[in-house]
Amino acid sequence: GAGVSQSPSNKVTEKGKDVELRCDPISGHTALYWYRQSLGQGLEFLIYFQGNSAPDKSGLPSDRFSAERTGGSVSTLTIQRTQQEDSAVYLCASSPRLGSGASGANVLTFGAGSRLTVL
Amino acid sequence: AQTVTQSQPEMSVQEAETVTLSCTYDTSESDYYLFWYKQPPSRQMILVIRQEAYKQQNATENRFSVNFQKAAKSFSLKISDSQLGDAAMYFCAYRSAGANSKLTFGKGITLSVRP
Repeated sequence: GAGVSQSPSNKVTEKGKDVELRCDPISGHTALYWYRQSLGQGLEFLIYFQGNSAPDKSGLPSDRFSAERTGGSVSTLTIQRTQQEDSAVYLCASSPRLGSGASGANVLTFGAGSRLTVL
Repeated sequence: AQTVTQSQPEMSVQEAETVTLSCTYDTSESDYYLFWYKQPPSRQMILVIRQEAYKQQNATENRFSVNFQKAAKSFSLKISDSQLGDAAMYFCAYRSAGANSKLTFGKGITLSVRP
């Protein structure tokens, strides 16, 4: 697609429920990132996928958080047993492989984010 | 680990005036990239400008320019002829030149533009 697409745009859920957030990166981009932005805060790195390499999960805050990327394209971020502190905007970004020589290889293009509210 | 610091949480500028947003970073690496992203109320993060650390020349994009001081690890953004549409949160970010590296962000600064 022309840009990074995220769904849902907004999600309200009850504490304890599971949620899934979807990211559809730019076609051909091999790198995909998830970030979390809490109210008034900067962007907190969650997880990074690069091609078929093992993902960098170092930013996931707890084992309730997981993400997968199927077929090297669409990614789903899953939060199990949601807590109120999980309320935030979840941003996805993609880029060509760094060092690939592709135009914009070192630039991340972001989606509009999914706002999660846990009641 | 790399860190990015934006010490000013808010700034205000008069329309048509010039404003400078500060950013410092900490790294032991010699090759990296620096970015400024803009986030308007729509939440969409938009790339404003980028700088490769190996380039001595400061990057410029129309009304936006940077002052990159590698030795001081400083990377400030200057917005000239400020416009109402420049009002947004601005984030400074760092990325290592390594093949597998994430973008590390500062906490951001909220810029308001007075008409």
